[in-house]
Amino acid sequence: DAGVIQSPRHEVTEMGQEVTLRCKPISGHDYLFWYRQTMMRGLELLIYFNNNVPIDDSGMPEDRFSAKMPNASFSTLKIQPSEPRDSAVYFCASSLLRREGNTIYFGEGSWLTVV
Amino acid sequence: AQSVTQLDSQVPVFEEAPVELRCNYSSSVSVYLFWYVQYPNQGLQLLLKYLSGSTLVKGINGFEAEFNKSQTSFHLRKPSVHISDTAEYFCAVSERYNQGGKLIFGQGTELSVKP
Repeated sequence: DAGVIQSPRHEVTEMGQEVTLRCKPISGHDYLFWYRQTMMRGLELLIYFNNNVPIDDSGMPEDRFSAKMPNASFSTLKIQPSEPRDSAVYFCASSLLRREGNTIYFGEGSWLTVV
Repeated sequence: AQSVTQLDSQVPVFEEAPVELRCNYSSSVSVYLFWYVQYPNQGLQLLLKYLSGSTLVKGINGFEAEFNKSQTSFHLRKPSVHISDTAEYFCAVSERYNQGGKLIFGQGTELSVKP
């Protein structure tokens, strides 16, 4: 069974450019999470979806960030325009409600550098 | 709401020595508890989890953790560490009955194993 798949693995972009991160959750999972990891703030939840519907986006830092889940097998996190302080590792994760204690499985992450 | 405190940001230890990484949590509702490991430049890997039953749980790579409800702790232990255990370790909690397993993470403990 394939795990959570994220792309790109690494991206370097210039300030002001649009960045789109992609995620394919584990098939059959009904929750999808986007986390961000930085040295200063650690691992923080940005947004999560249940059955493709955003449930809590209170962690999204500002309007430059947006996330969508058009279907059960695909989600995007977009930053427009990007800024150097957005440099971080972005993790996508998924889970199935009440299965294995709602264990969350993480992708390998997207390493973003904004110069 | 939940919170997680990892009491040590860095733990240096010599190879083959025992190690304990400490984690305390706070929650007004029943929770599940997790430890994840992150090797340099990699994603998050589930080490072990406490869902119910025996308070001593065993995970991968020889690690184990003990859930202590009265002290709201979930400390991670290994009797003899290897160089390859050098990594960052994250303690996390999720609500037992809601939110699809949304994880709240501690700030991480960097384990450095020296020869």
